[in-house]
Amino acid sequence: GESVGLHLPTLSVQEGDNSIINCAYSNSASDYFIWYKQESGKGPQFIIDIRSNMDKRQGQRVTVLLNKTVKHLSLQIAATQPGDSAVYFCAENLTGANSKLTFGKGITLSVRP
Amino acid sequence: GAGVSQTPSNKVTEKGKYVELRCDPISGHTALYWYRQSLGQGPEFLIYFQGTGAADDSGLPNDRFFAVRPEGSVSTLKIQRTERGDSAVYLCASSPGLAADTQYFGPGTRLTVL
Repeated sequence: GESVGLHLPTLSVQEGDNSIINCAYSNSASDYFIWYKQESGKGPQFIIDIRSNMDKRQGQRVTVLLNKTVKHLSLQIAATQPGDSAVYFCAENLTGANSKLTFGKGITLSVRP
Repeated sequence: GAGVSQTPSNKVTEKGKYVELRCDPISGHTALYWYRQSLGQGPEFLIYFQGTGAADDSGLPNDRFFAVRPEGSVSTLKIQRTERGDSAVYLCASSPGLAADTQYFGPGTRLTVL
């Protein structure tokens, strides 16, 4: 089927290595940020989120870093596995507004066995 | 528990026809969102419901698009006089209802307008 990753930047990593996926967000007033993973033919799947009163949050094998000064968000995946291959999107939200998510440009993560 | 479900998973229609896309949110979630995703792009916001009312429909591209959520649960996105440019994946998401809650997405409906 069609790939949601078509024409998107690609990050290629070796299985077992750590991956770092970066995102620049647009609204300095945004105070809630989410990383989603999207596999071909599926909807975005929640990975991890972070609120603006934090600069780091850890989950299982994933860490999100937030730098509000430069409006930058990153997703670190430890010991990348073939199942991590997908398109990754960051999204931002503004509390008290209409709650719509604004998505950044996706990045395709390709894991080499 | 069950996640967000969407039907149909694929819809092929002819230019000028009317289509309805359905979304069943996670049980108990009061907020429901529709997004549209074109190939190679991130999802783009269309409309947001809080309960039965459309709290924000600023993302609907024109008056051919309309959405309802009459009982505060299931929602239907309706597109009149479809055009080829409407071809995309239409995604639905739901959240518990507070501002800036995590939104959980369904698998989407792939609409193809011939």
